Amino acid sequence: EIVMTQSPDTLSVSPGERATLSCRASQSVSSNLVWYQQKPGQAPRLLIYGASTRATGIPARFSGSGSGTEFTLTISSLQSEDFAVYYCQQYNNWPPGAFGGGTKVEIK
Amino acid sequence: EVQLVESGGGLVQPGGSLRLSCAASGFTFSSYWMSWVRQAPGKGLEWVANIKQDGSEEYSVDSVKGRFTISRDNAKNSLFLLMNSLRAEDTAVYYCARVVSYLYPGIFDYWGQGTLVTVSS
Repeated sequence: EIVMTQSPDTLSVSPGERATLSCRASQSVSSNLVWYQQKPGQAPRLLIYGASTRATGIPARFSGSGSGTEFTLTISSLQSEDFAVYYCQQYNNWPPGAFGGGTKVEIK
Repeated sequence: EVQLVESGGGLVQPGGSLRLSCAASGFTFSSYWMSWVRQAPGKGLEWVANIKQDGSEEYSVDSVKGRFTISRDNAKNSLFLLMNSLRAEDTAVYYCARVVSYLYPGIFDYWGQGTLVTVSS
């Protein structure tokens, strides 16, 4: 079973700065990776699929990269509404679809 | 507008049963795989189960196999999760989610707001 590991657990960033989140798979998942954003008390929201394709309505400041076992989500200039928890998930080996443990992006 | 509205959560004793429902609207429900995903309090996300458009195929995580059953009623645009033999570790918010495509069973493009299931004596 594939294990997804996200780092760091918490990222403290000032508004307007860049945030870089990492996700590592225990074995190759090709480009079959998604990123979700979850704000407190809300359901997750699809951000990125196919490792780098933005979902409908997602601002261009969100970008995803990587393939194989190493992936990155970059938020180029953090806005106040971007402070949230971000999860990666692989769908290359299904079932099950393993989620990472999440990275919390908080205001510095 | 796509909407998914879960109901049926609540407090149940260990070993008990609960049936969750998800009412879908704003899209052709019968054309999509559907899924349940859960989140224990303060924890991360865990996929629970998927079901094919016509209900002919189902998949679930090992930890719920034999205890949980996913089903659907396309005539009523509804998704269900029957949970039996509940354990404390099943305590979570349960989300109903739409699967983008059968080609990508792990991509969920719309989510409900969730319903809380608490298993405790």
